[in-house]
Amino acid sequence: GAVVSQHPSWVICKSGTSVKIECRSLDFQATTMFWYRQFPKQSLMLMATSNEGSKATYEQGVEKDKFLINHASLTLSTLTVTSAHPEDSSFYICSARDRAGSSYEQYFGPGTRLTVT
Amino acid sequence: GENVEQHPSTLSVQEGDSAVIKCTYSDSASNYFPWYKQELGKRPQLIIDIRSNVGEKKDQRIAVTLNKTAKHFSLHITETQPEDSAVYFCAASNAGNMLTFGGGTRLMVKP
Repeated sequence: GAVVSQHPSWVICKSGTSVKIECRSLDFQATTMFWYRQFPKQSLMLMATSNEGSKATYEQGVEKDKFLINHASLTLSTLTVTSAHPEDSSFYICSARDRAGSSYEQYFGPGTRLTVT
Repeated sequence: GENVEQHPSTLSVQEGDSAVIKCTYSDSASNYFPWYKQELGKRPQLIIDIRSNVGEKKDQRIAVTLNKTAKHFSLHITETQPEDSAVYFCAASNAGNMLTFGGGTRLMVKP
């Protein structure tokens, strides 16, 4: 149980285009999902907290107009990187908490590797 | 906000030896402290976690200790094996909300 999927697993796009990444909780409902970015040999940095049915909360320094987050259902959150640039190339990972669970554990997706050329 | 520091950044041990990784946190409201193992290009895998109402937790070769007063927690791996080689991250959160990660420790276990 507690499986989170991400799609696509990797994507290559040209500079200036937009890319959408999906994060799904497959066997539980997630009121809250989190989006992280991880550059090579670095730690995971929280970008934003995505709450179902409301606006996402962005961390300081993360441009909300560039990284659009939509959490339209209890099992799906999407991250759209708009007007992508090479410096946006990174490993994007989502996580989700089971709203029915009492555990504090977050379940991570497998990540999406974005390369912007 | 929360700040988590992790040491060392790299750790090399001989197979069979123990490995210890230490983290400190700044927010006294943090009450959940997970440890993750991440292999290259993969998602972080939870290996053990501890809540603030417990001082120590053990699962086979892995143990975590927490000192709330000093705001630090540590991961102990005994009888290390080559397959333990990976990057390990500590993290802290308040009531299961956003996780703040430490900088990571690259553990290398030499056969």
